[in-house]
Amino acid sequence: EADIYQTPRYLVIGTGKKITLECSQTMGHDKMYWYQQDPGMELHLIHYSYGVNSTEKGDLSSESTVSRIRTEHFPLTLESARPSHTSQYLCASSDPVAEQYFGPGTRLTVT
Amino acid sequence: KNQVEQSPQSLIILEGKNCTLQCNYTVSPFSNLRWYKQDTGRGPVSLTIMTFSENTKSNGRYTATLDADTKQSSLHITASQLSDSASYICVVSDRGSTLGRLYFGRGTQLTVWP
Repeated sequence: EADIYQTPRYLVIGTGKKITLECSQTMGHDKMYWYQQDPGMELHLIHYSYGVNSTEKGDLSSESTVSRIRTEHFPLTLESARPSHTSQYLCASSDPVAEQYFGPGTRLTVT
Repeated sequence: KNQVEQSPQSLIILEGKNCTLQCNYTVSPFSNLRWYKQDTGRGPVSLTIMTFSENTKSNGRYTATLDADTKQSSLHITASQLSDSASYICVVSDRGSTLGRLYFGRGTQLTVWP
């Protein structure tokens, strides 16, 4: 099992609230990723980072933001949650040979 | 357009039976192909990863094949167990960027019945 953690695992929150999804890894990987996955659909890359102070937007447009102040920590923030943000959010990191390790995911529901 | 298509979308088999899942891709230039297993409510876990020169790779009861000429891959599961019930995702990586961009299929939802 990969040493990559996400909290919370489940979150139900009202519209307009600010939320932060936490992701941390203890493998010392430089590259980290955030994916969004709807039921029965493929994963979509929304953010990635090559290392500390490096963040880029992915393929899928997202209103979320990320930060990378420490190698092991890659939190994702939604300033004002909306029902359209309801989804599963998966964090991953990759080793030097590009093998990706995924966290358990956060299931977000915005009411 | 780089795409990864998987079939069937869903599959139900009886415990102990074998099954084969298919993956076709158009990703170019090709770097590697991975199969992941994703249990409900969990993150994907890697089963196999194959490069251009590899035709087959096994991981226990899982055997993946790759035909880079026809851009097809299959995942064969032998003697299925109830714990094999999960979504199996085919993922192809390109060589077109330093990111090693991953292209995900939608997965095959496998259900194993006792």
